[in-house]
Amino acid sequence: ESVLTQSPGTLSLSPGETATLSCRASQSVSSNFLAWYQQKPGQAPRLLIYATSSRATGIPGRFSGGVSGTDFTLTISRLEPEDFAVYYCQQYDSSPPGYTFGQGTKLEIK
Amino acid sequence: QVQLQESGPGLVKPSGTLSLTCVVSGGSVSNNNWWSWVRQPPGRGLEWIGEVHHSGGTSYNPSLASRVTISVDRSRDQFSLTLVSVTAADTAVYFCAKNHFYCLDVWGQGTTVTVSS
Repeated sequence: ESVLTQSPGTLSLSPGETATLSCRASQSVSSNFLAWYQQKPGQAPRLLIYATSSRATGIPGRFSGGVSGTDFTLTISRLEPEDFAVYYCQQYDSSPPGYTFGQGTKLEIK
Repeated sequence: QVQLQESGPGLVKPSGTLSLTCVVSGGSVSNNNWWSWVRQPPGRGLEWIGEVHHSGGTSYNPSLASRVTISVDRSRDQFSLTLVSVTAADTAVYFCAKNHFYCLDVWGQGTTVTVSS
């Protein structure tokens, strides 16, 4: 079973800066199988990125996803006040079929 | 645009059975292949519980598989979660979600379930 480890646990930045969030998989993950979500307090998660780098419907272009080996990244450029939230990465496993989430990165205002 | 709404008791007694339903609106449960349940304990991360195909096929998180059943009712455009032998560790916000290309693209607002006597 592949485990996703997100870093850092908390990231403190100011509006206008660029955030880089990391998600490392313990085993090889197909680029089709990695997604990112944003969750604000009291709300359901919101899909941001799927298939490593495809933006979900309605997601601004300042959100982007990438990968290097088993290290996946979510980059948020020109941070807006509404971007401060918790971010989760998620992978799909085909055998057995199922979904696994990372433990989350909290992006807070500095 | 598909919307999801969870419903069910907010309080379940220890050793009892948790039962939740997710109603699909703005679309049909038969228009999408798979539908999932996810939970989030207070102050913690997300845990995928399992999924159901509109034909009735299922996949479950191995850590919960012995206690979980997910079913679909195409006539009512809804799917359901049953979790037996609950303990305080099952206290969480429970979300239903629509599967899409190996991710979950539409989520319900979530419903809080507390296990307590």
